[in-house]
Amino acid sequence: AQTVTQSQPEMSVQEAETVTLSCTYDTSENNYYLFWYKQPPSRQMILVIRQEAYKQQNATENRFSVNFQKAAKSFSLKISDSQLGDTAMYFCASQSGATNKLIFGTGTLLAVQP
Amino acid sequence: DGGITQSPKYLFRKEGQNVTLSCEQNLNHDAMYWYRQDPGQGLRLIYYSQIVNDFQKGDIAEGYSVSREKKESFPLTVTSAQKNPTAFYLCASSADGANYGYTFGSGTRLTVV
Repeated sequence: AQTVTQSQPEMSVQEAETVTLSCTYDTSENNYYLFWYKQPPSRQMILVIRQEAYKQQNATENRFSVNFQKAAKSFSLKISDSQLGDTAMYFCASQSGATNKLIFGTGTLLAVQP
Repeated sequence: DGGITQSPKYLFRKEGQNVTLSCEQNLNHDAMYWYRQDPGQGLRLIYYSQIVNDFQKGDIAEGYSVSREKKESFPLTVTSAQKNPTAFYLCASSADGANYGYTFGSGTRLTVV
């Protein structure tokens, strides 16, 4: 069974600073995918970044990047140059390559302070 | 524009009543999903369907039922057997075999009064 753990319920960062959100996961599969989703106050789920487990290179999307440590089953999200609009709940998720089921962590509430 | 439409946005239900949440997509996606979101618990999978006329239970299916008669539609019924139905419900879809994550609707907030 897949599990995803986010150990930081809340975090705060100053505008323009960098913040890292932690995520660990567990799966018995070799074929899987990892995601970070953002849920702003509107509650719309927005895909931030995606990582294929078979790729060693860390994914990046503009100010967002991941540190994927496959052996440690760790998948952290780094947000650079934080902006007020980054204030949201961030969910880490793992998707099975076999079933396509997406399993979420409990989320980290990020507050960007002006 | 393609997307997923959930309705209504807010729903109030009296105890003992069944209620159905609507989810419609025009993305031509084969797979559809229902999640429940509670504070501090993230998103938990209720039911999912990978093809028309077929669906499977997720992790918290008790007290819920679904149907998948059309590719575009995946309604969720919250029955009176669901002991704590007040929550935020999210519908999602994905292309079959694709691992690009899901596209989500904007959600329905259900409150039992």
